[in-house]
Amino acid sequence: EAQVTQNPRYLITVTGKKLTVTCSQNMNHEYMSWYRQDPGLGLRQIYYSMNVEVTDKGDVPEGYKVSRKEKRNFPLILESPSPNQTSLYFCASSSGRSGSRTGELFFGEGSRLTVL
Amino acid sequence: GDSVTQMEGPVTLSEEAFLTINCTYTATGYPSLFWYVQYPGEGLQLLLKATKADDKGSNKGFEATYRKETTSFHLEKGSVQVSDSAVYFCALSERTGGFKTIFGAGTRLFVKA
Repeated sequence: EAQVTQNPRYLITVTGKKLTVTCSQNMNHEYMSWYRQDPGLGLRQIYYSMNVEVTDKGDVPEGYKVSRKEKRNFPLILESPSPNQTSLYFCASSSGRSGSRTGELFFGEGSRLTVL
Repeated sequence: GDSVTQMEGPVTLSEEAFLTINCTYTATGYPSLFWYVQYPGEGLQLLLKATKADDKGSNKGFEATYRKETTSFHLEKGSVQVSDSAVYFCALSERTGGFKTIFGAGTRLFVKA
């Protein structure tokens, strides 16, 4: 089954304790992205990656890091979480093949993070 | 920059009522347009899409037409069901410049039996 898998789904942590949210897709997609969802703000892009070893900042990258060492995985790292990073996080992927890409995103089920 | 504006919710309807959720966009290029749906506790999933002017996307009884002249992509359904209760997001994706997808703020729909 084609899917994007995120872990953990729920996490409560404390300020300053480093954490990683993993994301894996099995569709051989070139493009992967992280979003955060906050009430009234829709989805805002944190970071994206157009292929292995190629990453770039989205609209709200402060306080986050990413890496793309393998095509299927795109972890989100919070080096020193703060309460304003309490949010619902989504990983998404898309085929990046030139000429065929319409921009459709496939989403994971979300990771709800609370930073105390 | 590009943006998407959709009507604020929540929208509350009775079963079998007609649904319209308005969506307008601004874009520098010629984007693809999407509606995504988020059911409670789940991630977003594509509901329908349109890639060029006058295209009509449709799925599960929902429809939306890409109107370039009014820069709109309104979502409609003739008869909603309780199971349609969800949050609906309008979005655009430019075909150049980094494959960025811009989302609207989302519209929550409640359908009463």
